[in-house]
Amino acid sequence: KAGVTQTPRYLIKTRGQQVTLSCSPISGHRSVSWYQQTPGQGLQFLFEYFSETQRNKGNFPGRFSGRQFSNSRSEMNVSTLELGDSALYLCASSLEQINNEQFFGPGTRLTVL
Amino acid sequence: SQQGEEDPQALSIQEGENATMNCSYKTSINNLQWYRQNSGRGLVHLILIRSNEREKHSGRLRVTLDTSKKSSSLLITASRAADTASYFCATAPLSGGYNKLIFGAGTRLAVHP
Repeated sequence: KAGVTQTPRYLIKTRGQQVTLSCSPISGHRSVSWYQQTPGQGLQFLFEYFSETQRNKGNFPGRFSGRQFSNSRSEMNVSTLELGDSALYLCASSLEQINNEQFFGPGTRLTVL
Repeated sequence: SQQGEEDPQALSIQEGENATMNCSYKTSINNLQWYRQNSGRGLVHLILIRSNEREKHSGRLRVTLDTSKKSSSLLITASRAADTASYFCATAPLSGGYNKLIFGAGTRLAVHP
């Protein structure tokens, strides 16, 4: 099976812009989670989607949003970008059961100038 | 915020030596997982240990879990240069978790030939 894919791999934006990141899970995986990784805060959970519904959300401002499509592909959007949003954004997919191992994509490296 | 601490923050050893990393966490868990990350790339799942298990093995990996102390350790035996990476423990909370993982700060392991 193909692994989790994320596009784009690298992105440069300026403050105030918005950005959309895409994630395609492993075939058959219906749960998609998003994480932000920064040197200062480490790996932090953003949100998780299952069957097009957000089941869980981390402690991030409303500028961070996401959605999941009927084919389980997911997108996350960050509006009004701030310098502190520069990070590696990782997507992970897992089987529908809760608390399973997660399979991570290579990440999208976002730089905000 | 992160669930807990990992110790040590960095570890440097020679090929063939064993590497031990420790992880502490704060809340009750469903399971604890270990992941590896090579130089800013995606995370690779190594092993999952459930809260009712005390020890688990996978190849050269041995994981222990002490729920009374809220701690876990990862032992890599006979280390190789290819084991050079960052290692993260991640906990799946007992309540309200779905597929949310809470990561530690990680241990950077360097294995020298």
